[in-house]
Amino acid sequence: QVQLQESGPGLVKPSGTLSLTCAVSDASITSTNWWTWVRQPPGKGLEWIGEVYHTGNTNYNPSLRSRVSISVDKSKAQFSLHLTSVTAADTAIYYCARQFFYASGTLNFDAWGQGTLVTVSS
Amino acid sequence: EVVLTQSPATLSLSPGERATLSCRASHSVRHYLAWYQQKPGQAPRLLIYDASIRATGIPARFSGSGSGTEFTLTISSLEPEDFAVYYCQWRSNWLITFGQGTRLEIK
Repeated sequence: QVQLQESGPGLVKPSGTLSLTCAVSDASITSTNWWTWVRQPPGKGLEWIGEVYHTGNTNYNPSLRSRVSISVDKSKAQFSLHLTSVTAADTAIYYCARQFFYASGTLNFDAWGQGTLVTVSS
Repeated sequence: EVVLTQSPATLSLSPGERATLSCRASHSVRHYLAWYQQKPGQAPRLLIYDASIRATGIPARFSGSGSGTEFTLTISSLEPEDFAVYYCQWRSNWLITFGQGTRLEIK
């Protein structure tokens, strides 16, 4: 059973860069999955941030594209999120997750990290 | 870009009752729609994918239906552990969207 674990600072200053890492265990990061970041502001709904394939291919939420970068480090079996120029609106629980190819050919979120709260505040 | 609109925002029911949650897409998504359940303090859990296929380990009381722009998640007889927030979700080749969620609360 794949395990995902987020790590990184829980407090980031306004205008700074939010950086998180997701460690993948009990699964190969080079398998045919998309590795994904999703966030959830306190008391609100889910927002997709972006995703990375083990080849380095990425897709991003158009609303965040100018500020976000997601990368993969196969040697360390981890992938990372960088979000620049943060404001209080970026305060959220950040989840890393795996999208798995099901037999039907569709991708679905089948595994999630526990989530980590990142607060943007001076 | 597809927008997913869920209704109602909040649904108040009692254990044993039937729950019907709706997800409407702004454009046809064919059958490419999934449903997730999220309990307080937990990550979401996949319930249904491809509109009607139950994920592994999901009880038979959960069912999904629909295609195109109209989708429904039905819980046939509510158990106490079913009271949670439910999200629908769609992805294209390069974009993922979630609905805003339906909160299912105990009446």
